[in-house]
Amino acid sequence: EIVMTQSPATLSVSPGERATLSCRASQSVSSNLAWYQQKPGQAPRLLIYGASTRATGIPARFSGSGSGTEFTLTISSLQSEDFAVYYCQQYNNWPPAWTFGQGTKVDIK
Amino acid sequence: EVQLVESGGGLVKPGGSLRLSCAASGFTFSSYSMNWVRQAPGKGLEWVSSISSSGSYIYYADPAKGRFTISRDNAKNSLYLQMNSLRAEDTAVYYCVRVQDSSPNEAADYWGQGILVIVSS
Repeated sequence: EIVMTQSPATLSVSPGERATLSCRASQSVSSNLAWYQQKPGQAPRLLIYGASTRATGIPARFSGSGSGTEFTLTISSLQSEDFAVYYCQQYNNWPPAWTFGQGTKVDIK
Repeated sequence: EVQLVESGGGLVKPGGSLRLSCAASGFTFSSYSMNWVRQAPGKGLEWVSSISSSGSYIYYADPAKGRFTISRDNAKNSLYLQMNSLRAEDTAVYYCVRVQDSSPNEAADYWGQGILVIVSS
């Protein structure tokens, strides 16, 4: 099983500041990595797939980078609606066996 | 507009069974792989099972193997998860999830609102 490890567990950021979230895979997942945002009481929402491609309707302040085992989600200027939990997910395995990171909570500093 | 609406959750005793359903609309259901993902209270996301667009290819996470059965009815635009021999650790919100492509190994681009399953005596 590919283990996904996110850091930090919690990130305290002021509105308008940049947030940088990390995700590490226990083995290479190429660029088969996605990022999701989840707000309390809501389903996750796809932000980034293919490590760096924004999903439909996602603002340009969200960007993803990395390949292999090291990935980053950057939120360039945090808005109030961005405070949430963010998960990374790999989909590189065959046969398919998605695995998710444990999540990074972005809260207000 | 893509919509995924789960139903069939609730309270069940350990060892019992439940069948979750997911009604899909707003897209050509038969063209997409579908997955179930669950989230235990206060915990992270856990993949449960995948089914290809035709239903020919099915995959399970280890905790689901031998107890859960995923299926789909493309004529009814519906996805199902039959859960048997339920355990307390199966307590979670279960999400019906659309995969971006006909292949099951892509990202999840649409999620249902989730349905709560509680396994308790």
